[in-house]
Amino acid sequence: SYVLTQPPSVSVAPGKTARITCGGNKIERKSVHWYQQKPGQAPVLVVHDDSGRPSGVPERFSGSNSGNTATLTISRVEAGDEADYYCQVWDSSNDHVVFGGGTKLTVL
Amino acid sequence: QVHLQESGPGLVKPSETLSLTCTVSGGSITNYYWNWIRQSPGRGLEWVGYIYDNGSANYNPSLRSRVSTSVDTSKEQFSLKLRLISVTAADTAVYFCASLWGPNDMDVWGPGTTVTVSS
Repeated sequence: SYVLTQPPSVSVAPGKTARITCGGNKIERKSVHWYQQKPGQAPVLVVHDDSGRPSGVPERFSGSNSGNTATLTISRVEAGDEADYYCQVWDSSNDHVVFGGGTKLTVL
Repeated sequence: QVHLQESGPGLVKPSETLSLTCTVSGGSITNYYWNWIRQSPGRGLEWVGYIYDNGSANYNPSLRSRVSTSVDTSKEQFSLKLRLISVTAADTAVYFCASLWGPNDMDVWGPGTTVTVSS
């Protein structure tokens, strides 16, 4: 089955740019979606289909996908962005949903 | 706007069956893949499986032998049953029901319900 690999943690200073990666075999051929999850809450979609931004999500959140790596980029990071971030793909070869292991973003 | 709400017992004994229901409100249950996702304490998100409105389903291979789902379109509900492994609390988790972007063009999650497996 398809595997998505994320770094366990990323740290960034306020106002800087955070980049969270999601690795997978030829992931560029898949649509990648990104979720933000804060403690005690359900995940919230922040990027869909590699780079789409749902209504209400700040423009600071963007995504890209190339080769074997998809990337969630958060510009001008704020303290409120501290959360766990998960990538997700729909593996149409077997109709499975796959989540990455998650990355904890710490704002220094 | 679609809302989802999980319901079910918060405590289940090992070797019994965990049963949860998700109620869909504010929209139709038809034409969507309805998913269950769980999150064990301190761990990441794990996709459990989905059911479509016609009853077709697909499951995480690691859970396939123990899980089943059903849908009741007249009640706008779908359900999860998970046969628990004896002597282990590995299924203790927060269980979410959701319409996920990817299989669908709508991403909505319930608030989640905590299920503890303990004798």
